[in-house]
Amino acid sequence: KAGVTQTPRYLIKTRGQQVTLSCSPISGHRSVSWYQQTPGQGLQFLFEYFSETQRNKGNFPGRFSGRQFSNSRSEMNVSTLELGDSALYLCASSPPRGTEAFFGQGTRLTVV
Amino acid sequence: GEDVEQSLFLSVREGDSSVINCTYTDSSSTYLYWYKQEPGAGLQLLTYIFSNMDMKQDQRLTVLLNKKDKHLSLRIADTQTGDSAIYFCAEIHSGNTPLVFGKGTRLSVIA
Repeated sequence: KAGVTQTPRYLIKTRGQQVTLSCSPISGHRSVSWYQQTPGQGLQFLFEYFSETQRNKGNFPGRFSGRQFSNSRSEMNVSTLELGDSALYLCASSPPRGTEAFFGQGTRLTVV
Repeated sequence: GEDVEQSLFLSVREGDSSVINCTYTDSSSTYLYWYKQEPGAGLQLLTYIFSNMDMKQDQRLTVLLNKKDKHLSLRIADTQTGDSAIYFCAEIHSGNTPLVFGKGTRLSVIA
């Protein structure tokens, strides 16, 4: 069974630009969560989608948004990028009736 | 509020046992997890324990949970150089709530 796939693996963007990251969950998983990992703040929850609906949301500004498609694939978008948005963005999927979260390899975003 | 604390560094000799500790503040935590992160990689789920259990063993890994003290530990037996990584403790309240992570413990294994 293929794992969680995140694309792209690396991105370099300029301040003020926007970026879209993609996550394909494990087949059969309908819950997709996004986390931001930085050296200073550690792992912080962004949002979670289940069956195309946002089920939970972390404490991030409105520049961070996401969505989920009918095939459970998810995208997150960051608009008006700031230097502080440089981070590893991790996506995780969870099985139906399960509490385990399986993570992808992450997308390393660098804002210059 | 929710908080998960871990010591930042641990160094052990190859072949010894490693014990990584974690404390959490939320008594309503239902599941507690251990994840491993190698350089440049995502998080690998190692094991997890339900809050009504005291211990769980899986090959070289032993998880101990002291619910009264809100203390969780991960013991790695016969630690190998391939175990060098950052280990994260995490907790959730229920299946529909997000994971809350500690800052991670960097394990260095000396050959």
